[in-house]
Amino acid sequence: SQQGEEDPQALSIQEGENATMNCSYKTSINNLQWYRQNSGRGLVHLILIRSNEREKHSGRLRVTLDTSKKSSSLLITASRAADTASYFCATEGGNNRLAFGKGNQVVVIP
Amino acid sequence: EADIYQTPRYLVIGTGKKITLECSQTMGHDKMYWYQQDPGMELHLIHYSYGVNSTEKGDLSSESTVSRIRTEHFPLTLESARPSHTSQYLCASSSFSQNIQYFGAGTRLSVL
Repeated sequence: SQQGEEDPQALSIQEGENATMNCSYKTSINNLQWYRQNSGRGLVHLILIRSNEREKHSGRLRVTLDTSKKSSSLLITASRAADTASYFCATEGGNNRLAFGKGNQVVVIP
Repeated sequence: EADIYQTPRYLVIGTGKKITLECSQTMGHDKMYWYQQDPGMELHLIHYSYGVNSTEKGDLSSESTVSRIRTEHFPLTLESARPSHTSQYLCASSSFSQNIQYFGAGTRLSVL
């Protein structure tokens, strides 16, 4: 399966701390994306990293990609209560479809 | 905010009823998708379309059907709802040039 697997699946941190979550996948990819989902809502795209990129930044987000280990990490710096959500990685393979992982529940305590 | 809309947001119906979940987008995207998601779980692709009159089944087998008569509209129909269909259904769209998906708010379906 192409699906990404996030780790840890649940994370609880204090406001202001950094949150790091990992995603592993099984086959070669064109790109890897991270999405956020607030409770009971749809997903919102956060960042896309291509297979030939190793690191990408967007605001307080930093994504790394290691294709040799088939893994990616998402770092949220200086977390805020509004960052409380589930975070999903999604891989795009040769069929141009996205395969989503199980998600990572992050709770930021004010 | 993405310009993709799903109605209804919540639906509670009895077993055996026929239902249609609506999804519309105003971004002119050719690609549209339906996902099924149980609470706290991953998304499963059940249908997708790459343009008008094009529909394909996804990775998860589903008793639902879809149609794509207009670019902006991608409704999902269940002919006879069962309790096993209880779930959240998410619609998404993307352009051909960049496979970033934009999601609607979802329809939470409960079949009694």
